[in-house]
Amino acid sequence: DTGVSQDPRHKITKRGQNVTFRCDPISEHNRLYWYRQTLGQGPEFLTYFQNEAQLEKSRLLSDRFSAERPKGSFSTLEIQRTEQGDSAMYLCASSGDSLGETQYFGPGTRLLVL
Amino acid sequence: QKEVEQNSGPLSVPEGAIASLNCTYSDRVSQSFFWYRQYSGKSPELIMSIYSNGDKEDGRFTAQLNKASQYVSLLIRDSQPSDSATYLCAVSPRYSNYQLIWGAGTKLIIKP
Repeated sequence: DTGVSQDPRHKITKRGQNVTFRCDPISEHNRLYWYRQTLGQGPEFLTYFQNEAQLEKSRLLSDRFSAERPKGSFSTLEIQRTEQGDSAMYLCASSGDSLGETQYFGPGTRLLVL
Repeated sequence: QKEVEQNSGPLSVPEGAIASLNCTYSDRVSQSFFWYRQYSGKSPELIMSIYSNGDKEDGRFTAQLNKASQYVSLLIRDSQPSDSATYLCAVSPRYSNYQLIWGAGTKLIIKP
């Protein structure tokens, strides 16, 4: 069990550019989550996958954000036309299927939009 | 009213003392409760989960759940400087069997 991994760990981009982040969950976990966290706040839910199906997307997520998990393994989160307000830590977590399963987090990708 | 509330702190505790962290939640039917620790610039890591009323102990950590009063707490005995971090409370609400609702966290400082 190698844990949840994320790539890259840091990303600096200019406003208006597109960025893509990758998450590799714990291998036996079917559920995968994306969160965003800003300083002094708890993680904010973005979206959730059960295997390859995206079952929920936060209402707070604009159309500039899209996520995929094509084969039910790794996932990507893309932000198009980045804005300075997108600067945050983007966290990926995975869990098993049962009710109340613990979510295990990756190290996160810190995004800075200049 | 926020769904999950925590005192933002900072909470300052002398080394060796007991640190007490509290969390209240609004959804009376919530079933699962989690405490995560987050060091500055790092991602959250699970400290403890609790599902039933009462106390659950794991080493120096004890989680306490009171569903009638809608609060969950975390006690850290024999506090160490390495316990200095932000502690996040997360609750699984009735309307979702996968989503967690997070508090903003309490910053804990253990003074040597």
